Amino acid sequence: EPEVTQTPSHQVTQMGQEVILRCVPISNHLYFYWYRQILGQKVEFLVSFYNNEISEKSEIFDDQFSVERPDGSNFTLKIRSTKLEDSAMYFCASSPGGPSTDTQYFGPGTRLTVL
Amino acid sequence: KNQVEQSPQSLIILEGKNCTLQCNYTVSPFSNLRWYKQDTGRGPVSLTIMTFSENTKSNGRYTATLDADTKQSSLHITASQLSDSASYICVVILVNYGQNFVFGPGTRLSVLP
Repeated sequence: EPEVTQTPSHQVTQMGQEVILRCVPISNHLYFYWYRQILGQKVEFLVSFYNNEISEKSEIFDDQFSVERPDGSNFTLKIRSTKLEDSAMYFCASSPGGPSTDTQYFGPGTRLTVL
Repeated sequence: KNQVEQSPQSLIILEGKNCTLQCNYTVSPFSNLRWYKQDTGRGPVSLTIMTFSENTKSNGRYTATLDADTKQSSLHITASQLSDSASYICVVILVNYGQNFVFGPGTRLSVLP
């Protein structure tokens, strides 16, 4: 069964460094998402992406975040200058259609630790 | 403010028993309401999706209900199994709104043998 994959599974970085989290969505899906979950807290929506552009973003998704679909398979989240509070699990998800109708399939997550 | 609240915060039941988890929301208008299962350290897995006009939706041993008048939803788990031990998250999808997805804090369910 097709699944969303994410790399790396765990990323450790120094505060102020840039990180890129990678995701490979399910191949025939058109909508892509990033979420984060700080340890012990609820999942938070960051951004949704469709047709090579951002369709929705939350207040969390400020100028230090960016997303890109550099090729036909990868979907990336870049954090330009990491802060301690960026430490969290980051989940990528994809869906065949839009969020009003279709099931989202989540990847296993990347645990980001900022020191 | 758009919020989703869940109760109880945690629940312990014996294998084979049924349980019901609650979700209250203040989000409006919304497109649909979803229940997810999240195992520790894993991504959420979709259980049910209901539009505002649906009252109930089943997926195997999971049955979700929605009362749009009282802004409440519930997830009923029948004949629980050890593998049902997880967090169950209620999510409301907004209609044409900047912050599109509002997640509840989840209910942590532990099923004991």
